Amino acid sequence: AQSVTQLGSHVSVSEGALVLLRCNYSSSVPPYLFWYVQYPNQGLQLLLKYTTGATLVKGINGFEAEFKKSETSFHLTKPSAHMSDAAEYFCAVSGPNFGNEKLTFGTGTRLTIIP
Amino acid sequence: GAVVSQHPSWVICKSGTSVKIECRSLDFQATTMFWYRQFPKQSLMLMATSNEGSKATYEQGVEKDKFLINHASLTLSTLTVTSAHPEDSSFYICSASGLRGFDKNIQYFGAGTRLSVL
Repeated sequence: AQSVTQLGSHVSVSEGALVLLRCNYSSSVPPYLFWYVQYPNQGLQLLLKYTTGATLVKGINGFEAEFKKSETSFHLTKPSAHMSDAAEYFCAVSGPNFGNEKLTFGTGTRLTIIP
Repeated sequence: GAVVSQHPSWVICKSGTSVKIECRSLDFQATTMFWYRQFPKQSLMLMATSNEGSKATYEQGVEKDKFLINHASLTLSTLTVTSAHPEDSSFYICSASGLRGFDKNIQYFGAGTRLSVL
């Protein structure tokens, strides 16, 4: 069984400040981890993914995340927030056949950027 | 990148009628499509997984006779909400994976369909 916990349903940061969105997972198999972003009334867009190899992964729009097995975490960061980053962010986990295997999503974190 | 088109983006229907939602993978072939449901301010809940040419696999608690899924080709899957009721009002999102020529290891999402049942 797999599960994802996103700490903080709402996060507010000032424009230009560091963005940190937390994600912890539980998985009985080596996990594949994802961060998706959702803008209002839209589908999900993939920000980045971790499968194997380098534990620090870089994604689009300046986001990155680090897989820490010992902490079962996959936190999302961005050094400097931009107004356009305001959205809902979902962390997700899947198993070995991750393309064709279902994703388990966290409950999401709504990011607000303060001008 | 891979594009998944979902239609319609918004539909309003009367209680008791049926609504069909289409999910298309544009310019590529998707071997697997997923259907999710999202309630306001909540996460996505997987409803079913469909593979081209075979019956969909439904998640526990999802009524297969109410939510009919057809995946007749490698580019099209449909979700039909039969005899819709107000409690079926929600945001429905599809995704596709197994895309030849693209990263087969991730799911690409459609823009979603907002269903409002009066």
